[in-house]
Amino acid sequence: ELKVEQNPLFLSMQEGKNYTIYCDYSTTSDRLYWYRQDPGKSLESLFVLLSNGAVKQEGRLMASLDTKARLSTLHITAAVHDLSATYFCAVDPSNYGGSQGNLIFGKGTKLSVKP
Amino acid sequence: DTAVSQTPKYLVTQMGNDKSIKCEQNLGHDTMYWYKQDSKKFLKIMFSYNNKELIINETVPNRFSPKSPDKAHLNLHINSLELGDSAVYFCASSQDTGPPEQYFGPGTRLTVT
Repeated sequence: ELKVEQNPLFLSMQEGKNYTIYCDYSTTSDRLYWYRQDPGKSLESLFVLLSNGAVKQEGRLMASLDTKARLSTLHITAAVHDLSATYFCAVDPSNYGGSQGNLIFGKGTKLSVKP
Repeated sequence: DTAVSQTPKYLVTQMGNDKSIKCEQNLGHDTMYWYKQDSKKFLKIMFSYNNKELIINETVPNRFSPKSPDKAHLNLHINSLELGDSAVYFCASSQDTGPPEQYFGPGTRLTVT
């Protein structure tokens, strides 16, 4: 069974600080997604990572993918309060015999940025 | 313009009832999905459907059934509702060509009493 593990699950940080969220998965996949969810809201796509070594940046967030290590990271630079949300990684298991698009989600990292 | 929409936004019902949640996408996507998010915020795929096949997560009870009247709609029917069905249900869609980046609807909060 494909497993997707995120850590930490809860993260409280001060504005201006840097931190990294980790996403490990248990089988080969070269398709990984990061989503953001605000309380009571839907999921917003942040990054789509499609190959080993892929790195994408948007504002204070940067995501990377190492398919050999089966690891993705979401790095937060100089956090601001507006980044407070829950962040999910999701893996496409299609090259594990799974169906393309039937994403397997991590449990989410609840980020709280305090002034 | 809303890309993926769901109705209703909130649904409160009693155990044993049958209910439906509707989903529509205006993105021209080929594949639609239903996800369940439980009280701990854990997201799990329930179904994916395009005009070629329906893929069902084996853990989904057969009380749940997706119905697609056309390519832009995928409705979720739930029979004999149970307390454990209380959750937020998200619809999503993606294109078949290229990586399946999924666009999510606003969610339907189902409460079974």
